[in-house]
Amino acid sequence: EPEVTQTPSHQVTQMGQEVILRCVPISNHLYFYWYRQILGQKVEFLVSFYNNEISEKSEIFDDQFSVERPDGSNFTLKIRSTKLEDSAMYFCASSEEGFVNTNTIYFGEGSWLTVV
Amino acid sequence: AQSVTQPDIHITVSEGASLELRCNYSYGATPYLFWYVQSPGQGLQLLLKYFSGDTLVQGIKGFEAEFKRSQSSFNLRKPSVHWSDAAEYFCAVGVSDYKLSFGAGTTVTVRA
Repeated sequence: EPEVTQTPSHQVTQMGQEVILRCVPISNHLYFYWYRQILGQKVEFLVSFYNNEISEKSEIFDDQFSVERPDGSNFTLKIRSTKLEDSAMYFCASSEEGFVNTNTIYFGEGSWLTVV
Repeated sequence: AQSVTQPDIHITVSEGASLELRCNYSYGATPYLFWYVQSPGQGLQLLLKYFSGDTLVQGIKGFEAEFKRSQSSFNLRKPSVHWSDAAEYFCAVGVSDYKLSFGAGTTVTVRA
């Protein structure tokens, strides 16, 4: 079964440093997402991306976050200046189309980010 | 705001016993409801989903869920659990075309 792959699986970074989390979505999928889960809390939506544009973002997704599809296969989440509260598991996801009622969103295994 | 609540943080069940995980939703219209499972070291895997129609939904790995509008619930069930069912289970609701809102999750422990 095709899958969403994420790298790194775990990253430790100093506060204030820039971090890039990488994802390879399923090859024929057109919609891409990032979610995150702070330890002990709910999985939260960050952003959705389609046709090289953000289609929806949450209030969490402020100016320190950005997403990019730099080539035909990768989808990245950049955090410009990390804070302690950015420590979380970040999940990349993709779907063939949008519209959650008719399309399955496939999630990757997650990238643990620890900010120290 | 649309949301789901999972009242049980942790459930322990014996192997071979039945399992029921509770999910309550808050949503004005007909909700799009999902159950995901996260096994250790794995991503979130979709077990089943409900959009409309038959209120009893069959999923993968022997799971089913029943949508009850009168109770605002979408509980997940399995008649006989296996040790491999030990995982964290998340209920979610579609809150826009692109966005899911997740519950806090229920951790299931299976004892021999």
